[in-house]
Amino acid sequence: GESVGLHLPTLSVQEGDNSIINCAYSNSASDYFIWYKQESGKGPQFIIDIRSNMDKRQGQRVTVLLNKTVKHLSLQIAATQPGDSAVYFCAENKGDSWGKLQFGAGTQVVVTP
Amino acid sequence: DTAVSQTPKYLVTQMGNDKSIKCEQNLGHDTMYWYKQDSKKFLKIMFSYNNKELIINETVPNRFSPKSPDKAHLNLHINSLELGDSAVYFCASSQVAGKNIQYFGAGTRLSVL
Repeated sequence: GESVGLHLPTLSVQEGDNSIINCAYSNSASDYFIWYKQESGKGPQFIIDIRSNMDKRQGQRVTVLLNKTVKHLSLQIAATQPGDSAVYFCAENKGDSWGKLQFGAGTQVVVTP
Repeated sequence: DTAVSQTPKYLVTQMGNDKSIKCEQNLGHDTMYWYKQDSKKFLKIMFSYNNKELIINETVPNRFSPKSPDKAHLNLHINSLELGDSAVYFCASSQVAGKNIQYFGAGTRLSVL
């Protein structure tokens, strides 16, 4: 569930289950969205991106869903593995032509055996 | 064969000092970025250069000065370091400016004492 204050929202998932990480974005003009995974002590690693002319995009074990009506983005991870434990960030480009990304607060995913 | 590399990985220094962080990318990308990640993991863009020209300059104290000697390098110089500058600084690059995947380096953890 979610927590407030200094702690990131945390999602605990059992190994083998599917994970769903949610993200609400702020600007209806945003037309490009991207998900990153950040493991402890490392830089953000690209997972998948989606443009606003699409509702869904699939990658290897991951699916991103975009609901422009309610300004909501989600990342689904199939068959979650211990290596999926990390902080996940969504980011939006607010229609800016220079590629300025605005990142969300991040969600900590903890995979339990 | 690291794609985006930053040096140093760790930087510990006293208040008032001047320090630099270097970034190099070997991906042949045109655009490079500097981000700051605070203790709550919030990632915020600071600067971006496209083909050695500054294209994004967020509200950052002018003690921070980026320099791009060529499109493969983007350095960050910080004058008169303050306690609040303590953070992890990430360099990133993308093929072109705009709605593209940004590839991040491993980060430089700056601690100002």
